[in-house]
Amino acid sequence: EPEVTQTPSHQVTQMGQEVILRCVPISNHLYFYWYRQILGQKVEFLVSFYNNEISEKSEIFDDQFSVERPDGSNFTLKIRSTKLEDSAMYFCASGWGGNIEQFFGPGTRLTVL
Amino acid sequence: AQRVTQPEKLLSVFKGAPVELKCNYSYSGSPELFWYVQYSRQRLQLLLRHISRESIKGFTADLNKGETSFHLKKPFAQEEDSAMYYCALSGRSGGSNYKLTFGKGTLLTVNP
Repeated sequence: EPEVTQTPSHQVTQMGQEVILRCVPISNHLYFYWYRQILGQKVEFLVSFYNNEISEKSEIFDDQFSVERPDGSNFTLKIRSTKLEDSAMYFCASGWGGNIEQFFGPGTRLTVL
Repeated sequence: AQRVTQPEKLLSVFKGAPVELKCNYSYSGSPELFWYVQYSRQRLQLLLRHISRESIKGFTADLNKGETSFHLKKPFAQEEDSAMYYCALSGRSGGSNYKLTFGKGTLLTVNP
């Protein structure tokens, strides 16, 4: 059964550094999402992406964040200058469309020192 | 605004006992409600959604619009049900995307 994959599983970086989190959604899906979960808190929506553009972004998704689907298979989340408070588990999800099940990746744990 | 409340952070029951995980929501439109489960060291996966009205692994959930609730129930808990359970609400976001708003989750432990 196809699954969403994410790399790396754990990323450690210094404050102020740029990080790119990578996701490979399920191949025939059209809708892509990033969520994050700070330790002990709820899973929070960051951004949704469809037809090569952002559909919606949350307040968390400020100018330091960007998303890209560079080659039709990968879906990346970039944080330009990481802050301590960016430390969290980041989940990628994809779906066929609209209000149908979203399939989640295993997550990337980002630790900012 | 969308909001999901799961009042219990932890729930512990014995094997064979009934279990109910509570979920209340706030949404101005017509919501789609889901339960996601995360077993130890595994990814989030869909357990069930209200629109399908099905029972998965013995779990059921009924949407009660009057009480704005979507509680998850199982009559006889099994040890393998031990996991983190998240209630989630889907409402239309920009375009045709539907972002998920999650509750904080309930960690269910089923003791032998």
